[in-house]
Amino acid sequence: GEDVEQSLFLSVREGDSSVINCTYTDSSSTYLYWYKQEPGAGLQLLTYIFSNMDMKQDQRLTVLLNKKDKHLSLRIADTQTGDSAIYFCAERTSGTYKYIFGTGTRLKVLA
Amino acid sequence: GAGVSQSPSNKVTEKGKDVELRCDPISGHTALYWYRQSLGQGLEFLIYFQGNSAPDKSGLPSDRFSAERTGGSVSTLTIQRTQQEDSAVYLCASSFRYTDPEQFFGPGTRLTVL
Repeated sequence: GEDVEQSLFLSVREGDSSVINCTYTDSSSTYLYWYKQEPGAGLQLLTYIFSNMDMKQDQRLTVLLNKKDKHLSLRIADTQTGDSAIYFCAERTSGTYKYIFGTGTRLKVLA
Repeated sequence: GAGVSQSPSNKVTEKGKDVELRCDPISGHTALYWYRQSLGQGLEFLIYFQGNSAPDKSGLPSDRFSAERTGGSVSTLTIQRTQQEDSAVYLCASSFRYTDPEQFFGPGTRLTVL
């Protein structure tokens, strides 16, 4: 079945770049998402990419997709303390309603 | 309001009691989802509504869990005879159509079963 995997923790120093990785299993045309969850809050969509794209950049965020390896990454440039949160990767096959979420990566930014 | 709202924000209950969790989606959104987030776990899909009907209830963990949606808007998730393992954050999300690329999340209800 479909599965999305992420590492659980990442710690970086303020000002450095963060790279959060995710692997997925669905080989169909799919949307791939990155969500951010701050303490006590719901999930906020950061960005998404369709599987026919290799890269998407939005300000400090860069998403890279390696479709062959089914590997997705989120790079946050110039990481700030406000970026400390849990980051979820998710996939959804185009035309379907069901999202499959990873377990989330807890990013800690050290001042 | 502009976003998805959920109530209560926190609920503490005793084992064996019933609880109702409410979700108000964004006005006009036809698709509504319930998820459960347990400590250290990702989001577990519970149920999906399209309008008032629930074509997929496959994620409901047991027959103690039920959900309804009235008027294509507000949804209620009911847990009967709560157990300690039901303790989690219950998140609701909505989208205009299920094919839209983005779903909008509410802040969640944190349920603690003592």
